Amino acid sequence: KNQVEQSPQSLIILEGKNCTLQCNYTVSPFSNLRWYKQDTGRGPVSLTIMTFSENTKSNGRYTATLDADTKQSSLHITASQLSDSASYICVVSARVLTGGGNKLTFGTGTQLKVEL
Amino acid sequence: DSGVTQTPKHLITATGQRVTLRCSPRSGDLSVYWYQQSLDQGLQFLIQYYNGEERAKGNILERFSAQQFPDLHSELNLSSLELGDSALYFCASSRQDRGFQETQYFGPGTRLLVL
Repeated sequence: KNQVEQSPQSLIILEGKNCTLQCNYTVSPFSNLRWYKQDTGRGPVSLTIMTFSENTKSNGRYTATLDADTKQSSLHITASQLSDSASYICVVSARVLTGGGNKLTFGTGTQLKVEL
Repeated sequence: DSGVTQTPKHLITATGQRVTLRCSPRSGDLSVYWYQQSLDQGLQFLIQYYNGEERAKGNILERFSAQQFPDLHSELNLSSLELGDSALYFCASSRQDRGFQETQYFGPGTRLLVL
């Protein structure tokens, strides 16, 4: 069964500090892994997307890593800001072998709160 | 603004009723995805359409159905509603879907409350 697990479930950090969020998955056949940021009550916004051959990808203060062998990914946030407070969702895409396309499996997210 | 629009923004209805949620994808996007997000839960993938055809199915109940029209807008129909169907329903669109990496752009969501 395809699963995506994220940790921690929630996290509180001080503004300016760094943090790392984890994502472990059991999805196959693997197609790609995405990290999304979702503000409360709003639609998710894509941060990064990585395929099997990519180990790291950055988007400003966000850096995602992928270890396809251990099926783990992390999202590192540098110099956190109050506006980083949101839910961060890991999404793993599996190829649909018949008919093409991808099936997405969502993690339940890490709720990050950045405080003064 | 992602370029994906969803209507209505809020919907309140009673158990047993039927509702239709509408989604207009970004201009040029051929794929539309529907998701359900219940309170304090993660996003659940429901169904995907690509250029009018069903592409992939997730955890969509038999009481739910969707379609994508020739102009690429999509509708999600929810029938025989139950209290547990209360949730945020998101639509997302992407340019293509042939196993290529692509970004999904999410709409603002429709908040459904079943009383």
